[in-house]
Amino acid sequence: KAGVTQTPRYLIKTRGQQVTLSCSPISGHRSVSWYQQTPGQGLQFLFEYFSETQRNKGNFPGRFSGRQFSNSRSEMNVSTLELGDSALYLCASSLSGTSGIGTGELFFGEGSRLTVL
Amino acid sequence: GNSVTQMEGPVTLSEEAFLTINCTYTATGYPSLFWYVQYPGEGLQLLLKATKADDKGSNKGFEATYRKETTSFHLEKGSVQVSDSAVYFCALKWGGADGLTFGKGTHLIIQP
Repeated sequence: KAGVTQTPRYLIKTRGQQVTLSCSPISGHRSVSWYQQTPGQGLQFLFEYFSETQRNKGNFPGRFSGRQFSNSRSEMNVSTLELGDSALYLCASSLSGTSGIGTGELFFGEGSRLTVL
Repeated sequence: GNSVTQMEGPVTLSEEAFLTINCTYTATGYPSLFWYVQYPGEGLQLLLKATKADDKGSNKGFEATYRKETTSFHLEKGSVQVSDSAVYFCALKWGGADGLTFGKGTHLIIQP
């Protein structure tokens, strides 16, 4: 069974640009969550999608957005990039997610490492 | 709000040593608790979990017991191996709250 696939794995952008990251969940998983990982703040929750609907959103500015498609693949977008957006962005899929009845058992991809210059 | 506190390390041990990684949490109500592990170059993977007080999660020789009275979920292993070298994250999920809340991670290094 293929795992969670994230693309691209590495990318470099400059301040003010925008970036789109992609995530393909495990087959059959309907929930996709995104997390930002930095040395200073650790892992922070960005948002969670289930069946194309955003169920929860973390405490990030509106520059961070996402969406989920009918095949459960998800994308996240960061506009007007800032130096502080440099991080490892992790996608995680699960059957039911972490909201409500979700069990919290997430399957993570290897991440997309974004460097903002 | 919810929070998880764990030692950040690095924690360096010799092979076959006893391991304890402390994790304490702050949450409203009764969260579910998790340990995730991140091996070098890989994504996080669930190691074990406990969903109610006094539950013990176990996997691959690791154990953790949900202690409501001390709000703790310490990770233990009786005899560590070099292959256990990784970053370990303690996390909680509470009801319909936003995602999982993670600790900052503990970098574990096992020397032969």
